[in-house]
Amino acid sequence: DVVMTQSPLSLSVTLGQPASISCRSSQSFVYIDGNTYLNWFQQRPGQSPRRLLYKVSNRDPGVPDRFSGSGSGTDFTLKISRVEAEDVGVYYCMQGTYWPGIAFGQGTRLEIK
Amino acid sequence: EVRMLESGGDLVQPGGSLRLSCAASGFPFSSYAITWVRQAPGERLEWVSAISDTGDRTYYADSVKGRFTISRDNSKNTVFLQMNSLRAEDTAVYYCSNNFDFWGPGTLVTVSS
Repeated sequence: DVVMTQSPLSLSVTLGQPASISCRSSQSFVYIDGNTYLNWFQQRPGQSPRRLLYKVSNRDPGVPDRFSGSGSGTDFTLKISRVEAEDVGVYYCMQGTYWPGIAFGQGTRLEIK
Repeated sequence: EVRMLESGGDLVQPGGSLRLSCAASGFPFSSYAITWVRQAPGERLEWVSAISDTGDRTYYADSVKGRFTISRDNSKNTVFLQMNSLRAEDTAVYYCSNNFDFWGPGTLVTVSS
């Protein structure tokens, strides 16, 4: 099974400053259609998860453009260009190529400094 | 507006059974795979099970294989998760999602004597 490892596990960022979260997989997970089904989710305190990005870098409707995703192979990154108060929460990466065996990272907790 | 609503969570003794339901609306239900994801208190998200759009393919995490059964009724826009032989480690909030696009608020399953 593919194992997803995130770093750091917690992040304290000043409002308006950038933030970056790394996600590494134990193996590449490119589907036969050529896509890498790497998703990023945000879970605000007390809320359900919400997808931010799919297939590495595609933003979901309504997601601010300060969120961006990049990467390939086994290394992926979520970047927030300027952190806002509403960004507080836990961020998860997820491998969605291989079913069964869908795997989430451990989560990265973002707080405001 | 897309809505996903889980129900059926409860307190159950080890070895007991529960049936969760996920009622959906606001999107072409019969065209979407539906997924169950759970989150134990303070833990990461864990993918549990998924069912294809027509219901002919089902997938399970190793941790629940042989104990949980997923099914769907496209005439009622509802997916079910039958959980048998429940264990303490199944205690979690269970979320349903339409292929990770939208998530419900979750339903709490507590397995304890």
